[in-house]
Amino acid sequence: DAGVIQSPRHEVTEMGQEVTLRCKPISGHNSLFWYRQTMMRGLELLIYFNNNVPIDDSGMPEDRFSAKMPNASFSTLKIQPSEPRDSAVYFCASSFPEGGRTQYFGPGTRLLVL
Amino acid sequence: AQSVSQHNHHVILSEAASLELGCNYSYGGTVNLFWYVQYPGQHLQLLLKYFSGDPLVKGIKGFEAEFIKSKFSFNLRKPSVQWSDTAEYFCAVKANQGGKLIFGQGTELSVKP
Repeated sequence: DAGVIQSPRHEVTEMGQEVTLRCKPISGHNSLFWYRQTMMRGLELLIYFNNNVPIDDSGMPEDRFSAKMPNASFSTLKIQPSEPRDSAVYFCASSFPEGGRTQYFGPGTRLLVL
Repeated sequence: AQSVSQHNHHVILSEAASLELGCNYSYGGTVNLFWYVQYPGQHLQLLLKYFSGDPLVKGIKGFEAEFIKSKFSFNLRKPSVQWSDTAEYFCAVKANQGGKLIFGQGTELSVKP
């Protein structure tokens, strides 16, 4: 199994630009989670989906952030416009929904907004 | 609201020393408990998990953790650490019927060769 796949692995952009992060969950998993990791705030859950439907987006920082899951094998996290304080590592994770048991993490996207 | 507290922010040990990392959570119901490890520059990997049954669970790389329900604790242990155990360790809790994992703030472990 390829595991959770994220792209790009690294992204450097300028303030004000749109950033799109992509995630492909493990095949057969139908829960998907987006996390953000920073030194100051640690690991934060931004949003999660069950069966492509957003269940809890209370962690999304503000309207500049949006996430979609158009099908069971693909999700995007978009930041528009980006700001320097969005610089972080963004992880995607997936799991089976029943009990929502073990989450498996992708390699992350390291985002730097200048 | 659920929360997870890891007592140690940074632990420094010499090789072969024993390790215990504390984790306490606040939630009154049934929980699933996890320890993840993040090696430098890498993603989170599952070390071990507890859902039910024997409260002493064994994970990969010689790690184990004990769930003590009365203390709301799930401490991670390893009898003899190696330099390769240098990493950040995260405790996480999920309400049994919920979907969200709540992570602790992490404990950075540095093992001196």
